[in-house]
Amino acid sequence: AQSVTQLGSHVSVSEGALVLLRCNYSSSVPPYLFWYVQYPNQGLQLLLKYTSAATLVKGINGFEAEFKKSETSFHLTKPSAHMSDAAEYFCAVSENTGRRALTFGSGTRLQVQP
Amino acid sequence: NAGVTQTPKFRILKIGQSMTLQCTQDMNHNYMYWYRQDPGMGLKLIYYSVGAGITDKGEVPNGYNVSRSTTEDFPLRLELAAPSQTSVYFCASTPRGGNTEAFFGQGTRLTVV
Repeated sequence: AQSVTQLGSHVSVSEGALVLLRCNYSSSVPPYLFWYVQYPNQGLQLLLKYTSAATLVKGINGFEAEFKKSETSFHLTKPSAHMSDAAEYFCAVSENTGRRALTFGSGTRLQVQP
Repeated sequence: NAGVTQTPKFRILKIGQSMTLQCTQDMNHNYMYWYRQDPGMGLKLIYYSVGAGITDKGEVPNGYNVSRSTTEDFPLRLELAAPSQTSVYFCASTPRGGNTEAFFGQGTRLTVV
């Protein structure tokens, strides 16, 4: 069975500071990994995805994530936080066979202080 | 380019009432899913479908039913609403094959009182 662990349910950074949101996964097969963002009262929007090509993945809004197989991690970073980045972020792993459903982490709420 | 459309956006139900959450997608995706989102818990899979006429249970199916008579539509039925079903419900779809992401609807916020 797959699982995803997101360390830190709340992260607070200052505007302009580095954003680092942590995600560790477990999977018995090579995973597909995703980061989604959810703004208040909205659905989930894809930030970026890892699908076994480049290990450093660039997404929208200046976010990127690095797949590290040895650490089973897929941490999300952004060099400089903007107020508009305040949202909830979910890491997810996909089954690449069968039902192909997503298994989600519990989410990290990012606050950006002025 | 509507994507995944869910209705209603908000609903309050009394205990024991029934309702259907509607979900439709216009991307011709084979796979469709229903998730529920509870605070601090991420999203949990309720039911899924790999194509018209084929549905199966996810991790938290109790109290729910689904059908998939067409590729486009995947309604979720609550027969006897309970307070434990107070949640935000998301429908999602994924195309067949490859390493593609899921596309989500805007969600239905359901309160059972």
